[in-house]
Amino acid sequence: DADVTQTPRNRITKTGKRIMLECSQTKGHDRMYWYRQDPGLGLRLIYYSFDVKDINKGEISDGYSVSRQAQAKFSLSLESAIPNQTALYFCATSPRYRREGPHTDTQYFGPGTRLTVL
Amino acid sequence: KNEVEQSPQNLTAQEGEFITINCSYSVGISALHWLQQHPGGGIVSLFMLSSGKKKHGRLIATINIQEKHSSLHITASHPRDSAVYICAVGMFTDKLIFGTGTRLQVFP
Repeated sequence: DADVTQTPRNRITKTGKRIMLECSQTKGHDRMYWYRQDPGLGLRLIYYSFDVKDINKGEISDGYSVSRQAQAKFSLSLESAIPNQTALYFCATSPRYRREGPHTDTQYFGPGTRLTVL
Repeated sequence: KNEVEQSPQNLTAQEGEFITINCSYSVGISALHWLQQHPGGGIVSLFMLSSGKKKHGRLIATINIQEKHSSLHITASHPRDSAVYICAVGMFTDKLIFGTGTRLQVFP
């Protein structure tokens, strides 16, 4: 079984609808992330959570919200979807960073959710 | 100017060729990551390095902190190496910045 799972894998929705993307992990990691990937652009960070009580905005958080329901679960919501939120969304996890500093640990990615907003 | 630049953007090779993908960055970093994105979309972490060189099978990653440059080498390339290779830099501000990727196609 995959260590990081995302549901749904594909979703087509209409402008204005509320959408929730879910991420679950069995790796026991504290840190979880949501990214979006657009053609021709690098992955961009939407939100990240270093533990259940610690949630932080990334570089493109406008239009999105998140919920860390438990160590293993991190959900991304689009309150009112718009067409430019059409993208591939990835959840990732990593263990607590070592003394060398943040982002020195490997990130483990989910399979991605392809979201289309019409 | 992007903080992380990869070159080339696209690369084609014949099976068996030695391949080099480059990554340059313009900021101070805590670590550099190389990732592989399969044609189906899944992303796998290949390396994390903050200095020197790492090797895993036919893959070798190097980093030169002074020159702010990293390379990913693939020896004896194979069609199954066809993928997008992504460089990402970890910053001391907790940000991870990704390059746009290098699309590699290896033909038999």
